Amino acid sequence: AQSVAQPEDQVNVAEGNPLTVKCTYSVSGNPYLFWYVQYPNRGLQFLLKYITGDNLVKGSYGFEAEFNKSQTSFHLKKPSALVSDSALYFCAVREEAGAGKSTFGDGTTLTVKP
Amino acid sequence: GAGVSQSPSNKVTEKGKDVELRCDPISGHTALYWYRQSLGQGLEFLIYFQGNSAPDKSGLPSDRFSAERTGGSVSTLTIQRTQQEDSAVYLCASSLVGTSVFDEQYFGPGTRLTVT
Repeated sequence: AQSVAQPEDQVNVAEGNPLTVKCTYSVSGNPYLFWYVQYPNRGLQFLLKYITGDNLVKGSYGFEAEFNKSQTSFHLKKPSALVSDSALYFCAVREEAGAGKSTFGDGTTLTVKP
Repeated sequence: GAGVSQSPSNKVTEKGKDVELRCDPISGHTALYWYRQSLGQGLEFLIYFQGNSAPDKSGLPSDRFSAERTGGSVSTLTIQRTQQEDSAVYLCASSLVGTSVFDEQYFGPGTRLTVT
């Protein structure tokens, strides 16, 4: 069985500071990891994914995520936060090729204050 | 269309009535997913389709929930004899499953269901 944990319900950072949104996972095989963002009154949007290769993955809007196999983590990061980054962020894991069930975390609300 | 569309955007129904929620995936996307998002909660997987077949129905909460997909395109999620605990936002997503077997999902805007 696959599972995802986002240990923080809420993350607050000041604009211009670096941000980290944490995610840990559990799978029986190889993990395939995704981050999605949900802006207020808008649908979920794909940010980035890790399939294989480099542990540091770069995605949309300046976000990146670091895959750490030993710590079973896939934390989302951005060097300098913007107020417009304020949103709900979801980590997801899949362990099957092709179409298959993705398990999502409960989400982390990121608030960036001016 | 350019993205995943869902209808209706909002649905208010009385307890005990049946409802149908519709999803139009991105043209050419072979996989289609249904999720439920309750207030303040994460995404709860309901079912997914590969083409017209549903290999994984494990997330359907009860036998009051059913879904079908026809022509490898439009999908309908039906909830019979609705209960108040069914109130949530129902999200649909599609993915290509083509050149990359780990294609990301594209989500629709959701249907907000309120059972009174």
